[in-house]
Amino acid sequence: GAGVSQTPSNKVTEKGKYVELRCDPISGHTALYWYRQSLGQGPEFLIYFQGTGAADDSGLPNDRFFAVRPEGSVSTLKIQRTERGDSAVYLCASSLTGGGKQYFGPGTRLTVT
Amino acid sequence: GQQLNQSPQSMFIQEGEDVSMNCTSSSIFNTWLWYKQDPGEGPVLLIALYKAGELTSNGRLTAQFGITRKDSFLNISASIPSDVGIYFCAGQSLQGGSEKLVFGKGTKLTVNP
Repeated sequence: GAGVSQTPSNKVTEKGKYVELRCDPISGHTALYWYRQSLGQGPEFLIYFQGTGAADDSGLPNDRFFAVRPEGSVSTLKIQRTERGDSAVYLCASSLTGGGKQYFGPGTRLTVT
Repeated sequence: GQQLNQSPQSMFIQEGEDVSMNCTSSSIFNTWLWYKQDPGEGPVLLIALYKAGELTSNGRLTAQFGITRKDSFLNISASIPSDVGIYFCAGQSLQGGSEKLVFGKGTKLTVNP
């Protein structure tokens, strides 16, 4: 496809479990971003990658959250010991070279029961 | 941290009317973007602004980058039912080299046919 894709579209997990969320950016885009959106709010920044490296991870809420992008394309957001407060829509975006236009995927809705 | 104040929070208008919404910040941004989000979807980029005072159009949409670099405006002319959705402003400061976007809380637009 031409756009950013995210899998799964929905994920329900029990409190304390580990989850992985995947993002496939637009082909050729070097910058990749993760955001989290709670109900009734705008997206909140988590982390961004330029190539394989995390250029800014200041938005990760705590050390239970981790993200990787080992080959500079697909990225995985990993959440350990999930808590009910982690329930939200996790959005991924990509940008051709960074600096401006970010294109979003459809998101993964995470529900922690 | 940086915050964006977006107003109005919601709008109810008749088809054919013009719409205006705005976003203000206590700090300066180098880039302003406007997105539209439909239920269950990711934000879709509408307009990107890069220079103070810049006025940019995309069909019936017009956005402006405020001269002070602390605000931005979005106008929609001759609204149609498919304009329904939540509109978000987003700012990018590039402070410390970070490309993260800071989002407003959104303006929910309802168009009555």
